[in-house]
Amino acid sequence: ILNVEQSPQSLHVQEGDSTNFTCSFPSSNFYALHWYRWETAKSPEALFVMTLNGDEKKKGRISATLNTKEGYSYLYIKGSQPEDSATYLCAPQTGANNLFFGTGTRLTVIP
Amino acid sequence: DTGVSQDPRHKITKRGQNVTFRCDPISEHNRLYWYRQTLGQGPEFLTYFQNEAQLEKSRLLSDRFSAERPKGSFSTLEIQRTEQGDSAMYLCASTGQGGTDTQYFGPGTRLTVL
Repeated sequence: ILNVEQSPQSLHVQEGDSTNFTCSFPSSNFYALHWYRWETAKSPEALFVMTLNGDEKKKGRISATLNTKEGYSYLYIKGSQPEDSATYLCAPQTGANNLFFGTGTRLTVIP
Repeated sequence: DTGVSQDPRHKITKRGQNVTFRCDPISEHNRLYWYRQTLGQGPEFLTYFQNEAQLEKSRLLSDRFSAERPKGSFSTLEIQRTEQGDSAMYLCASTGQGGTDTQYFGPGTRLTVL
């Protein structure tokens, strides 16, 4: 069991606003960090896999950074759109196999 | 569609009944994972297979739970003598080589035990 914390738990933003979420995890035995987006009634969608301290990844308007020494990752969304509304999950990985998910940040973008 | 599929999408059962779920992974993937998500929590790891071998089981997987992947392709998860606490979303994921490879998830099976 890994103590993974995501904040905030939920968030409402206006369309066009930029926002960011935090994922905190134990820095020991770090192997990788995964971010997923999960829309209701759909499959969780993989966003990023990050492995190196200082990693930055970008996919369209979404980007993420990783600090393995202090055990956190930030996810940023620039210019939020209603279709960004979803639950964003982070999942650290301590070995070559299973992921340990946080409880997620539920984002609602108001048109 | 070549993604991960799960069947059924929803299952309602009475306490004490047995249920079985199926997962079809992406065809070339040799690793398959089962996770469970309960209300307000993130998905929790249950078990994983490499080909037909079940290599790891979580302590969450009680004796009433059994998973198989007989030919290294699809997998089944059976819950015997269901309890209300088994109500959850059961997710399946697959990946090619493990390690830091992305795990691709199916849409899940939502189980409700009355």
